[in-house]
Amino acid sequence: AQSVTQLGSHVSVSEGALVLLRCNYSSSVPPYLFWYVQYPNQGLQLLLKYTSAATLVKGINGFEAEFKKSETSFHLTKPSAHMSDAAEYFCAVSAGGTNDYKLSFGAGTTVTVRA
Amino acid sequence: NAGVTQTPKFQVLKTGQSMTLQCAQDMNHEYMSWYRQDPGMGLRLIHYSVGAGITDQGEVPNGYNVSRSTTEDFPLRLLSAAPSQTSVYFCASSDRQGGGYTFGSGTRLTVV
Repeated sequence: AQSVTQLGSHVSVSEGALVLLRCNYSSSVPPYLFWYVQYPNQGLQLLLKYTSAATLVKGINGFEAEFKKSETSFHLTKPSAHMSDAAEYFCAVSAGGTNDYKLSFGAGTTVTVRA
Repeated sequence: NAGVTQTPKFQVLKTGQSMTLQCAQDMNHEYMSWYRQDPGMGLRLIHYSVGAGITDQGEVPNGYNVSRSTTEDFPLRLLSAAPSQTSVYFCASSDRQGGGYTFGSGTRLTVV
């Protein structure tokens, strides 16, 4: 079974500073990995995904993530935070192969951006 | 361009009442899932379906039933509501290729 750990339930950054959200996963098979963003009172929106192609994945809104198999990590970064990045971010994993329809989510990281 | 549509958006139930949360998608996706979101716990899988007529339990299935008679619809039934089922419920759908799920806007349910 797969699982996800997000380090830090809250992250506060200054506008223009680096955003770094940490995600570690466990999976018995090569995984699919995802980052989602949730704005207040909305559903989840897919930011980016890793599906065994390039290890550095670029997503929407200037975010990117790097898959590191040796570290079982999939950290999310954005070089320069914007006020509109304030939201909750979720890392998720699904097992490849016949179980690729089941997503397991981390507990989420809330990002606040200081002016 | 509807994507995944959930109704209702808000609902208040009394303990012991039953109700159905509706979910419909127009993307011809095979996979559909129901999640509940509770503070500090992320999203937990309730039930999922890999196609019409095929459903299975997720991580927290007790107290909920599902059926999938068509590709488009995947309703979630609360059999006898309990305060522990107070949560935000999300329906999601995906194609078969690990493309990531598309989520609905959620149903906020309060059981009193």
